[in-house]
Amino acid sequence: AQRVTQPEKLLSVFKGAPVELKCNYSYSGSPELFWYVQYSRQRLQLLLRHISRESIKGFTADLNKGETSFHLKKPFAQEEDSAMYYCALNKGSSNTGKLIFGQGTTLQVKP
Amino acid sequence: ETGVTQTPRHLVMGMTNKKSLKCEQHLGHNAMYWYKQSAKKPLELMFVYSLEERVENNSVPSRFSPECPNSSHLFLHLHTLQPEDSALYLCASSPETGRSTGELFFGEGSRLTVL
Repeated sequence: AQRVTQPEKLLSVFKGAPVELKCNYSYSGSPELFWYVQYSRQRLQLLLRHISRESIKGFTADLNKGETSFHLKKPFAQEEDSAMYYCALNKGSSNTGKLIFGQGTTLQVKP
Repeated sequence: ETGVTQTPRHLVMGMTNKKSLKCEQHLGHNAMYWYKQSAKKPLELMFVYSLEERVENNSVPSRFSPECPNSSHLFLHLHTLQPEDSALYLCASSPETGRSTGELFFGEGSRLTVL
């Protein structure tokens, strides 16, 4: 079955601390994975995609096929990083938005 | 207005009512989606339209009826809903062409409460 699991509902860290938001997936094909973010009073938006291998706002995520994971990391958290983060798997071809989402993790960065 | 716009933002309806949610995108995209976000559950894909043709119906009950009259507009018609259908309904769009990256552009959602 295709599934995305985010085991933590809430992650609370202090400003300047490292952050790792966990995501594990179950998918029989070649996965295409994304991290979406929703800041307070804003709409859900793409943060980064694994095929780009880019760093956005200091966040990176590496696809580990052996561990079926796509954890989101940032070495030094900032207060403005506080938001809801969703890991998502594209179950269609690369041209579709048929995404399967995890339940989301709330990141709270304390001053 | 740019982006993806959803109306109404909030809707309260009885189980016997008929109402519709509307979504409009000004991004020139070819694909539109309805997602459902319930409390304590992940976002669930409901329907996908590509070039105004429905390409996915994710085992959604028939009391939800989508309509895509053109590539810029998407509706979700609601009829005889149940209280458990109360949720945030999100519309999204994407280019869905050979240049697509799989990125979705979301609206702000329509918060539905069924009494």
